Amino acid sequence: DTEVTQTPKHLVMGMTNKKSLKCEQHMGHRAMYWYKQKAKKPPELMFVYSYEKLSINESVPSRFSPECPNSSLLNLHLHALQPEDSALYLCASSQAAGEEQYFGPGTRLTVT
Amino acid sequence: QKEVEQDPGPLSVPEGAIVSLNCTYSNSAFQYFMWYRQYSRKGPELLMYTYSSGNKEDGRFTAQVDKSSKYISLFIRDSQPSDSATYLCAMYGQNFVFGPGTRLSVLP
Repeated sequence: DTEVTQTPKHLVMGMTNKKSLKCEQHMGHRAMYWYKQKAKKPPELMFVYSYEKLSINESVPSRFSPECPNSSLLNLHLHALQPEDSALYLCASSQAAGEEQYFGPGTRLTVT
Repeated sequence: QKEVEQDPGPLSVPEGAIVSLNCTYSNSAFQYFMWYRQYSRKGPELLMYTYSSGNKEDGRFTAQVDKSSKYISLFIRDSQPSDSATYLCAMYGQNFVFGPGTRLSVLP
């Protein structure tokens, strides 16, 4: 089983809303990632968790707040987003940081 | 110069053609190399993972790595319309980097 699941599939939110994206994997992977992908661009790394600890934060604005409650779950809390934050948000996991990553289907976020 | 460059495409080929997709990189710290396929509005799907120079084959797909030239390739034999997607190379050394992607269309 190489499945990473993400919810919701689609999300529309206003600039004053607070919402969360969820990601789950049951492959026993110890590294999990959040990426942002704009149309016709490659994914851009946002955060890396390794053994449930934040190991990389690629200078992401504080309106994005990651959380790793346990080794299978990864959340991305969103608050006061801007329209330019509209994108496909991808979660990925790997056995360990640096190994091949398996991606979820993504959450398509629209900020109005 | 970008860390990872990829043949820009878009690329259109007839069904049954052999497709060659290529990436070059500048950082010799990259040691692990991957190819992903991404269909429109979906997450990337891992196709191939290699960490040594040489060839690795999986069905119709062959990944080739030449570390001395800092060059990697993905070959698709007997291409099918279902192969139409964006192909992303990715590599890892001290950091994980995607190439910009090549959009492939296989025409029936």
